[in-house]
Amino acid sequence: QQQVKQSPQSLIVQKGGISIINCAYENTAFDYFPWYQQFPGKGPALLIAIRPDVSEKKEGRFTISFNKSAKQFSLHIMDSQPGDSATYFCAASRVNDMRFGAGTRLTVKP
Amino acid sequence: GAVVSQHPSRVICKSGTSVKIECRSLDFQATTMFWYRQFPKQSLMLMATSNEGSKATYEQGVEKDKFLINHASLTLSTLTVTSAHPEDSSFYICSARNSGGIGGYTFGSGTRLTVV
Repeated sequence: QQQVKQSPQSLIVQKGGISIINCAYENTAFDYFPWYQQFPGKGPALLIAIRPDVSEKKEGRFTISFNKSAKQFSLHIMDSQPGDSATYFCAASRVNDMRFGAGTRLTVKP
Repeated sequence: GAVVSQHPSRVICKSGTSVKIECRSLDFQATTMFWYRQFPKQSLMLMATSNEGSKATYEQGVEKDKFLINHASLTLSTLTVTSAHPEDSSFYICSARNSGGIGGYTFGSGTRLTVV
């Protein structure tokens, strides 16, 4: 069922460092690529999203880089903070269909 | 912004009983809602797509007679786990897409089901 590949599975970063999570997809019909942040026991919350006609989108400390030809996209978290420690899911979607990556458990050490 | 309310947040039930989980879009209409299941430390697995006024579309391997989905209005979808067993214990999450929006899906806060 999983049509989106995400790596790494887990990531440990020092406070102030850059966290990078990568995703790849196969289906070129996907036209919306969101990233979700999930804390334990909570539902996912939309963090940032991009469409394939844009190669980069930045919102605060969070940046998505998108490579349409390679069918890859990544999340960069600048100046990572302990409060960013959570599980991050990339996703690829089209109308009435959203598929998630396996998730990356990020730990930011103080 | 779009808000999806999911209830209950936690439920413990005895094996063999049924449990109903509600998913409501509070400030928008959702012709389509989605139900996911998440095991500990794993990703969200789509169970079914709930369509207002019509039958739900189930993913391969999901028992439609066990996981009953009803989408009776543009703001409410329910998932009923029938004859629950311990292996049904999981985190169930719904999401909805704003009918007038583009791309964005809003998730509920999830329901932790424990079957004892």
